[in-house]
Amino acid sequence: QSVLTQPPSASGTPGQRVTISCSGSSSTVGSNTVNWYRQLPGTAPQLLMYKNDLRPSGVPDRFSGSKSGTSASLAISGLQSEDEADYYCASWDNTLNRPVFGGGTKLTVL
Amino acid sequence: QGQLVQSGAEVRKPGASVRVSCKASGYPFSSYYVHWLRQAPGQGLEWLGIIHPGTGDTTYAQNFQGRVSMTRDESTTTVYMDLSSLTSDDTAVYFCARDHYSNYVFGYWGQGTLVTVSS
Repeated sequence: QSVLTQPPSASGTPGQRVTISCSGSSSTVGSNTVNWYRQLPGTAPQLLMYKNDLRPSGVPDRFSGSKSGTSASLAISGLQSEDEADYYCASWDNTLNRPVFGGGTKLTVL
Repeated sequence: QGQLVQSGAEVRKPGASVRVSCKASGYPFSSYYVHWLRQAPGQGLEWLGIIHPGTGDTTYAQNFQGRVSMTRDESTTTVYMDLSSLTSDDTAVYFCARDHYSNYVFGYWGQGTLVTVSS
């Protein structure tokens, strides 16, 4: 049972815009920043977004992040086939005193 | 910018212990915290703990207190994670990861090490 809640799946067609949500609580997303990771099958996760809406160098501006209250979102515009992957959100938990993750969202490009 | 290379897959029997190594290169070893995380088959990510390679200071997740130990060897720029009293629930891919941009932002990852616990 993951501390942060993500939809298990999402999908879109090439060129579309898709959004992946991440829901937490006042002790997680509500009071801490959110990071996003992308994981291709059989590989390690890669940092995609940090501190809610900052892109690491090399991540295209098709990817954007936002946070409001106890929820955060990752948006991908101009969807491409190579965006097919698992996406995880992460934040700090003030109660558990450790970083926590969502269960992951499998994005399918139809 | 940095690279983390982990040791190979391991198979252990229940009750045994395992050591996974993570060799760092391409950056000042002592300057960045290294974390250990794991991912059970088909599951999400779970944080095990953190070590400061310069001081050796560690913090472990409460779930793993008493079972996990993280150490480092500055001469070989390698971080180690030992996990004891293994059960089938510990079957997972174990990752080391390094902070980047900010604390607890996992910007660099090792390739992962599969640990299988089976009788």
